[in-house]
Amino acid sequence: DVKVTQSSRYLVKRTGEKVFLECVQDMDHENMFWYRQDPGLGLRLIYFSYDVKMKEKGDIPEGYSVSREKKERFSLILESASTNQTSMYLCASTRGEGETQYFGPGTRLLVL
Amino acid sequence: DAKTTQPPSMDCAEGRAANLPCNHSTISGNEYVYWYRQIHSQGPQYIIHGLKNNETNEMASLIITEDRKSSTLILPHATLRDTAVYYCIVRSRRSSNTGKLIFGQGTTLQVKP
Repeated sequence: DVKVTQSSRYLVKRTGEKVFLECVQDMDHENMFWYRQDPGLGLRLIYFSYDVKMKEKGDIPEGYSVSREKKERFSLILESASTNQTSMYLCASTRGEGETQYFGPGTRLLVL
Repeated sequence: DAKTTQPPSMDCAEGRAANLPCNHSTISGNEYVYWYRQIHSQGPQYIIHGLKNNETNEMASLIITEDRKSSTLILPHATLRDTAVYYCIVRSRRSSNTGKLIFGQGTTLQVKP
């Protein structure tokens, strides 16, 4: 079974802090994604990566950056957390373009 | 990717089959039907997908009509742990839209004892 893990289930940070969210998949998948999910807004794509050291902006990249130094790990960075980044963050991976996406358990981030 | 329409909510008695419908009348020939579910405060879980034939796995069955304009996800013996929001998504496996998934509002399935 595909396993996607995220570093924290719940996180509380203060405004202005730098926040790291980590995602690891164990299936040698090429593609990895970061989404945020908010009530009434559905899933919104922040960034994705098709390969190591490759990254592409999604629909809402502002205020975020990513890092993919190893194939299995995709990190989301909030350079200076703000209250409007309070959300559920979901990582997903897939073997190739158009293939089934598998999600991690999510990180619920609260920025005070 | 084609748009889907699902009822906002459904109830099901524990132990009975849950049949969740999805309309996708504008589906095109190379688009698959995917089903995910999301249990409260957890990440979405992949359930099943299909193109035109009916599919079954250890979680569910997927019945796609012959014209492919609608489908039904069947949970054969629903349990309380199946209470979740179920999302039906139609997408091409050769999608060029970055590969992102777009979830609609889904169907909230409430399994009752």
